[in-house]
Order: sequence, then structure tokens, then C-alpha cells
Amino acid sequence: KQEVTQIPAALSVPEGENLVLNCSFTDSAIYNLQWFRQDPGKGLTSLLLIQSSQREQTSGRLNASLDKSSGRSTLYIAASQPGDSATYLCAVEAGTALIFGKGTTLSVSS
Amino acid sequence: NAGVTQTPKFQVLKTGQSMTLQCAQDMNHNSMYWYRQDPGMGLRLIYYSASEGTTDKGEVPNGYNVSRLNKREFSLRLESAAPSQTSVYFCASGWGTGINNQPQHFGDGTRLSIL
Repeated sequence: KQEVTQIPAALSVPEGENLVLNCSFTDSAIYNLQWFRQDPGKGLTSLLLIQSSQREQTSGRLNASLDKSSGRSTLYIAASQPGDSATYLCAVEAGTALIFGKGTTLSVSS
Repeated sequence: NAGVTQTPKFQVLKTGQSMTLQCAQDMNHNSMYWYRQDPGMGLRLIYYSASEGTTDKGEVPNGYNVSRLNKREFSLRLESAAPSQTSVYFCASGWGTGINNQPQHFGDGTRLSIL
């Protein structure tokens, strides 16, 4: 059974820091891996999707990598801002739907 | 540009009551999904519909039923609500697993409390 783990569960950093969020999965048979952002009381917003054949994707200050062989993905956030404060969810698409990690709650202080 | 719309946004029920959560998408997606999100558990799939006219169970289907009314709408019904069903429910839509490699789109959720 596919399992997705995110470490750390929570992270606090000062504004301007570069940071890395980690995601690991147990079965490498995936179609893609997706990173989402969730603000309190809101739904999920897609940030990046990495296809199984790709190694990384970039969008603005965000860069996500994928190493299928080791079952790992990282989300790199450059020059963090208070507006980046949210919960970040990693999910793999395999089988019938998405399988989610429990998320990393990020707090960026000014 | 509505995307995925869920109604209601909030609901309080008594144990044993029934209700239906509504979801509609305007992106012409083939597949629709219902997830629940609980503290410490992450999002878990309740039911999904790969295409109009089909529905299948996900990880946690007990106590729920679904209807794919047409391509746009996918409803989730609680026949006899239980306190364990207190949760935030998210509807999502997409092109289907492994198709187009496009992300799923999520609604804003329904916050359901059962007393």
C-alpha cells in the first residue's frame, strides 16, 4: 500500500530564508507527484506537478524535485515571505486517485 | 471562473440525521472525487467517479453514498450521520488518473459537525 510521509510536520523560519520541505513515498509506481498549498479554512491550490519521467519543476520561487528510485521529493522555497505561511501537502497520483501526506505547516515571520 | 463549487460551506447535524453534500465543476473534467480531511490523518479518498455513470469506493467509503448526476455534478450523501463523520469534506475534479498529467482542482470544502 502506497504511503506518503512529510517531514517536518511544522517549520518556522524568519523572512528571507531559503527552505526545503521533504516528501517520501513507499512505491515508485506513480504517474506523478503533486505539491499543494492549503491556507487555513480553504481548499487546496496546486503549486507544482512533476511527471514520473521528470526530475524537477520550477514556478517562480518554488522548485520541486523528484527521485523516483529513492521515493523522495523536495519542495525548495527561495527567499521565503510571510505570505508563504500555509500548509504544504505532497501527493502522489497512483492507481485511482491522489494519496496525500499529512502536510508541513510553514510559518514565516517578518 | 468558478472551478469546483461545493455547497454548503458549513453544516451542523445531529446524530442520525441525513444530508447531501453537493459538488459541481465547470471544467468539463471526466473524473470527480470526494475526500475527507481530519486532523492528524491527512486527506483520504471516500469515493470517486472516473467518468459519468460510474462510481467506485475509495479508502474510507463506509457510511457514505455518492451519485454522479451528470458530468458536472457529484454528490455525497450521509444516510445516518455519526460523530465520527465530523470532518472537512473536499470535492475535486480532474481528467483522470494518469491522463494528461494535469493537477486535480479542489473546492473550498464543507465543514461538517455532527453532534
